[in-house]
Amino acid sequence: AQTVTQSQPEMSVQEAETVTLSCTYDTSENNYYLFWYKQPPSRQMILVIRQEAYKQQNATENRFSVNFQKAAKSFSLKISDSQLGDTAMYFCAFIYNDMRFGAGTRLTVKP
Amino acid sequence: NAGVTQTPKFRILKIGQSMTLQCTQDMNHNYMYWYRQDPGMGLKLIYYSVGAGITDKGEVPNGYNVSRSTTEDFPLRLELAAPSQTSVYFCASSYSVRRQTGSQSYEQYFGPGTRLTVT
Repeated sequence: AQTVTQSQPEMSVQEAETVTLSCTYDTSENNYYLFWYKQPPSRQMILVIRQEAYKQQNATENRFSVNFQKAAKSFSLKISDSQLGDTAMYFCAFIYNDMRFGAGTRLTVKP
Repeated sequence: NAGVTQTPKFRILKIGQSMTLQCTQDMNHNYMYWYRQDPGMGLKLIYYSVGAGITDKGEVPNGYNVSRSTTEDFPLRLELAAPSQTSVYFCASSYSVRRQTGSQSYEQYFGPGTRLTVT
């Protein structure tokens, strides 16, 4: 069974600085997708970034980038130039047939 | 496109009552999912469906039932509500293609959630 682990329940960062959220997963599959979702206080789940396992190149979306280490089964999210609006819960997710989520990291961006 | 819509937004049930949470998507996605999110926790999969007429259990299916008679709709039924079912429920949909190595799914689009309290 696929499992996803986020080892940092809470993190904080100063506005304009960089922060990295960690995620590890366990699977025996070879072709899969990984995602980071953001959940602000509104509860809406918002896709931040996706990574296809067969692609070696790390995905980037503006200020968000990932460090995907397939052999280590690691998928960390880097947020550059943090903004107050980045304050939210961040969930790492793995999908093959169904989707498994990590427990989340609560990120607070401080002014 | 409305995306994924859920009704109701909020509901309070008494122990033993039943209700159906509605979910509709207008993106012609083949896969649909129901999750629950307990306070301070991640999402846990209750049921999912790979197409009309096909459903399967997720991690936490006990106490719930689903049906998928159309591509668009995927209602979740709670029978004999219990306090342990107090949670926020999310419906999601995705487009999936089946490859030779096994089916692979693309990212899921989520509804706004239903906050359910059972007292």
